[in-house]
Order: sequence, then C-alpha cells, then structure tokens
Amino acid sequence: GNSVTQMEGPVTLSEEAFLTINCTYTATGYPSLFWYVQYPGEGLQLLLKATKADDKGSNKGFEATYRKETTSFHLEKGSVQVSDSAVYFCALSDPVTGGGNKLTFGTGTQLKVEL
Amino acid sequence: DGGITQSPKYLFRKEGQNVTLSCEQNLNHDAMYWYRQDPGQGLRLIYYSQIVNDFQKGDIAEGYSVSREKKESFPLTVTSAQKNPTAFYLCASSISGVATGELFFGEGSRLTVL
Repeated sequence: GNSVTQMEGPVTLSEEAFLTINCTYTATGYPSLFWYVQYPGEGLQLLLKATKADDKGSNKGFEATYRKETTSFHLEKGSVQVSDSAVYFCALSDPVTGGGNKLTFGTGTQLKVEL
Repeated sequence: DGGITQSPKYLFRKEGQNVTLSCEQNLNHDAMYWYRQDPGQGLRLIYYSQIVNDFQKGDIAEGYSVSREKKESFPLTVTSAQKNPTAFYLCASSISGVATGELFFGEGSRLTVL
C-alpha cells in the first residue's frame, strides 16, 4: 500500500537558517505529491504540490522537487522566519488506488524557529 | 467567507456515550472527508464521501459512522464501539472528480473521553 515517511521532529532552527525536511514515499502508480502546513490551533492548508517527476512545487519561499528515482519530495527554504513555525505534512495522492483526492499523509514534522 | 466549520472545538464525553461532530462547508465542494490526528501518527482517513447520499470507509472506520444527506454537511458520530476515541478530528472538503490533491480543512474538533 501507499505510505509516506518524514523525518522526525521537532526541528529547531534560528531565524534565517536553511531548512530541509525530508520526505520519502512508497506508492503504486504515479502519485502526485504535496506539502501541507498546520499552524498552531488551525487546520491544515496546502503549501505546495508537484504532479509528475522532476516537477518543482514552490510557494512562500518553500520549494520541493519530485524525485522519482529516489522516491523523495524534500521540503526546503533558504531563510526561515519565526512565522514559519508550524507542523509540516508530506502527502501523496495516487490516482490508481487513491481515487480522486484521497490522500495518504506522513506523520508530520514540527518546526520551531527562534530569534 | 467560504470555508469549513467544525463544531464543537472541544468536546468531553464519558465512556460508553456516542458523540456527533459537526462539519459544514459553503465551498460548494462535492467531496468531504474525516481524518483523525494522533501525536506521532499523522492523519488517518476515517470516512469520505464523493457525492451526496454516498460514502466510503477509509483506513480506520471501525467505531465511527457518518451520513451525507446534504452537500454542505458531513457529520461524524464516534460510537461507544470506538476503543480509543480521544483524538483531534479534522474535516476536509475538495472538488470531486479532479485529482488536484487540494483539500480544504476545518480547524478541528478535539475529543477527550473521561
């Protein structure tokens, strides 16, 4: 079946540091890949996505590249801010077994950014 | 404003009681979903509905029930058969029939069994 593995948190960084959150996946077919973000006390919201191999998703300074050869979709940001403190979820949607928008989520990685 | 409203935000129940969590959306989305979030386990799909009067079990449906009588509403009942109901419950919706992957989430309901 489908699965998503993320690096464990919490990840603690100083403001303006470089961020990488690792994500790897297992899926049948050709999944679409996503990063969602959950700010404290809120629901999840879509951060970025990539629908095919070598696509790069980007939003708000965050980027992730769909690497089929390594089954990875690592999240990166060049300079984090305190306002980026949140929990980040990697997810996949497999059009073969998932059906429409049914997503499989990773366990989430908490990011804490300090001044 | 368009969005998803979940209520109540916090709920306490005694063992053996059923409880219903409300989810309403005004986004005109066909599909709706219920996820359960536990620390260290991410989100797991309980039930989903692609259209009114139809719904399917997700990965952890045992001990839960849903209904979809209206497009806007997808209530979740946590029954006494659910062995470990204390969790954070998230409702989501999306456009059906297009695999965009974008789900719109509510702010969640935290259920605690006393």
